[in-house]
Amino acid sequence: GAGVSQSPSNKVTEKGKDVELRCDPISGHTALYWYRQSLGQGLEFLIYFQGNSAPDKSGLPSDRFSAERTGGSVSTLTIQRTQQEDSAVYLCASSLGSLAASETQYFGPGTRLLVL
Amino acid sequence: AQSVAQPEDQVNVAEGNPLTVKCTYSVSGNPYLFWYVQYPNRGLQFLLKYITGDNLVKGSYGFEAEFNKSQTSFHLKKPSALVSDSALYFCAVRDGGRDDKIIFGKGTRLHILP
Repeated sequence: GAGVSQSPSNKVTEKGKDVELRCDPISGHTALYWYRQSLGQGLEFLIYFQGNSAPDKSGLPSDRFSAERTGGSVSTLTIQRTQQEDSAVYLCASSLGSLAASETQYFGPGTRLLVL
Repeated sequence: AQSVAQPEDQVNVAEGNPLTVKCTYSVSGNPYLFWYVQYPNRGLQFLLKYITGDNLVKGSYGFEAEFNKSQTSFHLKKPSALVSDSALYFCAVRDGGRDDKIIFGKGTRLHILP
């Protein structure tokens, strides 16, 4: 079946521009996560959506970062006024999201963002 | 809030030798623990998980991990390393029973030397 997809796969932008990154989770998965992986660094948690609950935004590094999830499916991560330090691979993951179930996450291929 | 630590940035092991990649965690409730692997230019792949039951968990590609509650550890192991095991390994934890996020460690780069 279809896995998690992300688009674009690569994005080059100029400092100060806004970018939107898209994530299509696995159908039926109610939990969706965004992570950032910088060169040589681990996975940095950004934001977590679970069903209709208010998202956990505790990992967003600044108010330039925002994310939304429409209809409980597709999610968009927006970075406003991009800075060079925003350059990283942005990973999306989804999971079934049931408290009674083990939470195996399924990751997308990522979007590689380069801010010049 | 939960946290996870991988104390080694890099581990080097000779092919055929046993390998261990270390992970310790901190949660307020019962831990759900995971290992993921990231091969070069590929996405993260699930290896194994501990939710409850036997402390020794077996996963993909011959890997296993041992849950140790008293030491709050979940080390990844394999009896005989292969060169193809060279990759970046991530430990992750979730506070079981809570509707909470999953937190990843910083990763450990495993080099298997031929």
